[in-house]
This record gives sequence, C-alpha cells and structure tokens, in this order.
Amino acid sequence: EDQVTQSPEALRLQEGESSSLNCSYTVSGLRGLFWYRQDPGKGPEFLFTLYSAGEEKEKERLKATLTKKESFLHITAPKPEDSATYLCAVQGGLRPASGTYKYIFGTGTRLKVLA
Amino acid sequence: EAQVTQNPRYLITVTGKKLTVTCSQNMNHEYMSWYRQDPGLGLRQIYYSMNVEVTDKGDVPEGYKVSRKEKRNFPLILESPSPNQTSLYFCASSLNQGPRAEAFFGQGTRLTVV
Repeated sequence: EDQVTQSPEALRLQEGESSSLNCSYTVSGLRGLFWYRQDPGKGPEFLFTLYSAGEEKEKERLKATLTKKESFLHITAPKPEDSATYLCAVQGGLRPASGTYKYIFGTGTRLKVLA
Repeated sequence: EAQVTQNPRYLITVTGKKLTVTCSQNMNHEYMSWYRQDPGLGLRQIYYSMNVEVTDKGDVPEGYKVSRKEKRNFPLILESPSPNQTSLYFCASSLNQGPRAEAFFGQGTRLTVV
C-alpha cells in the first residue's frame, strides 16, 4: 500500500539547536517527493522537490535529502520563525484507469522553536 | 500575484443544505485538486482534475461533487452535507503532473456542519 509516514509528530527545539525531520515512504514508482511548510490557519507552502536518491536541496536554514526509502529535512540553527508544521508528500502510484499519479501526504511534524 | 483563491474562508451550515466552495487559480495550471485536512489523518485528496472537463475521484470522494468548466475554476459541491464532512478544506493547483508537480494551495475553508 502506498503511504507516507513522518516522524516525530512534534518537536520542540531551542533556538540554534539543529535537528532533522524524517519522512519515510512506500510508493510504487516514485516520481517526486515534496516538502511543504504549513502555518496555523493557512494553506501549505511549497519548499522543495526531490526526484532521485542522493539529491539534495537547500533554502536558508533548511536542507532536504532523499534516499530510496526516506527523506530528511535538516534544520540548521533554527529560529522561532521556523515554527510551523512541515509536511511531506510523494507523487507516485499510477492509477491505471486514469493514467494519473497519486499525491500522498504524510500527517506532518509540528515544529516549535523556542527563543 | 500568483495565487489560489478559495471562498468562503469559514462556513457553518446545517445538515442537508447544499453548498458550494469556490476555487480559482490565476496561473494557468492544468491540474487542480481538493483536499480535506483532519487531525491525525493529514491531507486527503477528495477529487482532482487533469484539465477542463476531466475530473476523477481521489481517496475520499463520497459525498462530494466537482466540475471543471473553465481552466481557472474548480468548485467543490456538497449536495447534502453531513456532520462527518466538518473539516478544513484546501484547493490546490499545479502546472501538471510532470516535472512541475509542486502544488500551490489556497488559504483553506473551514466548514462546520451541524
């Protein structure tokens, strides 16, 4: 069964304390893995796309990496404004009847960075 | 400004009263979809559309309808809402299902059915 699992569910960090969020996935035929940030009461905001194992993307204090079974979102020296829920999604799993691909989200990691 | 616009942002309705949530995008995206977000369950796809007049069921389509008569608009219709459809709804669009499949989301519609 195609699925995405994120861990931990919640994470509290002190400002400057680096850590990593995990996204493990099971999908037939991965076409892309996506990271989003979601602030309370708002829609998810796109951060990164990763397409193949070994690929890395960086943006400010965030760095995303991908292996064949999981992705990590590394947060270096986080600030309070990095507090948000981080969502992982995978595109894959062909729907034979329509020829389209599933887009499956994990349940997210709620990050709180304390000043 | 590139955006996905949903209306209304908040809606309280009664069981059985038909409602429509509108969604519009200004990026000329081909692919649009509706999701519901519930605590502990994450975002689940309700319906999606590959292009005008092409729609299909996602993972949780029961109780919902959609239409795509124009490329920019993708309304979500609840013909007879029930309390289990109380949720936070998001519309999303992406250029395609190919190399540019990252999704742009609206601000969400919080629906309460009493």
